[in-house]
Amino acid sequence: RKEVEQDPGPFNVPEGATVAFNCTYSNSASQSFFWYRQDCRKEPKLLMSVYSSGNEDGRFTAQLNRASQYISLLIRDSKLSDSATYLCVVRRGNQGGKLIFGQGTELSVKP
Amino acid sequence: NAGVTQTPKFQVLKTGQSMTLQCAQDMNHNSMYWYRQDPGMGLRLIYYSASEGTTDKGEVPNGYNVSRLNKREFSLRLESAAPSQTSVYFCASKALAGANTGELFFGEGSRLTVL
Repeated sequence: RKEVEQDPGPFNVPEGATVAFNCTYSNSASQSFFWYRQDCRKEPKLLMSVYSSGNEDGRFTAQLNRASQYISLLIRDSKLSDSATYLCVVRRGNQGGKLIFGQGTELSVKP
Repeated sequence: NAGVTQTPKFQVLKTGQSMTLQCAQDMNHNSMYWYRQDPGMGLRLIYYSASEGTTDKGEVPNGYNVSRLNKREFSLRLESAAPSQTSVYFCASKALAGANTGELFFGEGSRLTVL
């Protein structure tokens, strides 16, 4: 079982739709959680951190459930420019705090 | 605003050839990383250097070596390339390895094909 697992998609949604991505992690020592965005054939970039109380950044909402070892990302009012792959990332609490990446969920927003 | 610079961006090798991927960052970061990305596998850590003078193995170190030449530069060497090493390689840096921040800054990637 992979340490960080995501639904690979692709998710195909119309503009304006709300879409949710899920991620589970298996290492209970995981300490910090993040969502990265990766455009086609580009490098990943940090989208947002995920805090225990949940957090929002414009149209993006991230939530964490430590008991279930589950992270989510909600995108409201999808734009064409949201089309990308979204990577769930977990930082281990031990082993030097290495960052472990999920395989990514691909999102395609259509007109 | 160079950030993290990787060279070369593209390379084709024959099985058994050797090559070095170069990476340099100008953000005065302490920690540097090499990842590979394959379809369906996500990014996997090959080696990392928490600070100048130290290097450690990641998840998939076999077939690779690294050198942290100075604070700015972290190179990845393939001594005898194999087709299984065909991948996209990303170098990344972070201010501090243990800091409670997930912001890795990535280079643009190096696309390597081994025939």
